[in-house]
Amino acid sequence: GQNIDQPTEMTATEGAIVQINCTYQTSGFNGLFWYQQHAGEAPTFLSYNVLDGLEEKGRFSSFLSRSKGYSYLLLKELQMKDSASYLCAVLDSNYQLIWGAGTKLIIKP
Amino acid sequence: DAGVIQSPRHEVTEMGQEVTLRCKPISGHNSLFWYRQTMMRGLELLIYFNNNVPIDDSGMPEDRFSAKMPNASFSTLKIQPSEPRDSAVYFCASSLGTGDTDTQYFGPGTRLTVL
Repeated sequence: GQNIDQPTEMTATEGAIVQINCTYQTSGFNGLFWYQQHAGEAPTFLSYNVLDGLEEKGRFSSFLSRSKGYSYLLLKELQMKDSASYLCAVLDSNYQLIWGAGTKLIIKP
Repeated sequence: DAGVIQSPRHEVTEMGQEVTLRCKPISGHNSLFWYRQTMMRGLELLIYFNNNVPIDDSGMPEDRFSAKMPNASFSTLKIQPSEPRDSAVYFCASSLGTGDTDTQYFGPGTRLTVL
């Protein structure tokens, strides 16, 4: 079967750095997405990785290791507005997006 | 672009009534997706269309649910008859194509409450 694992919840302090991990087992791989979802709102696109390595976008970075079936989202200089759920999703061999359950990130002052 | 548009934003109905949710995808996008999200089950794909044709409806819960896409700019998700367990947020999303163009852009969602 296809499976994506993320921690259910994480807590971090404003101004700090947090790493949200995602491991996946899917039938084929055509890329991995990270989405952010604030409470009561729709998911919004953060990043896309298809090659191994680190992609940086401002305070957010996403890393991929295809051989390990592993990705992480790194958030730096945390702000209160970063409190949200972060969803990992993998595009499988049929170009279908397989979604993780999401990680709820709580930022404390 | 206006983004994905969904209506209504909120719907409250009584058990047994018919509910129709509407979606207008981003212009030029070839794929359209209907999702349901609940606290218990997270984000679930119900059905998706490619070039207006239903490709995979394996996520549709049962015969009470149906979806149509009569043209490239409009889709509906219908529940008839509705039941309290259908209460959820229903998202519509669209994407352009393959690879990074598979990035899905979500509408604001319809919050459905069935009493």
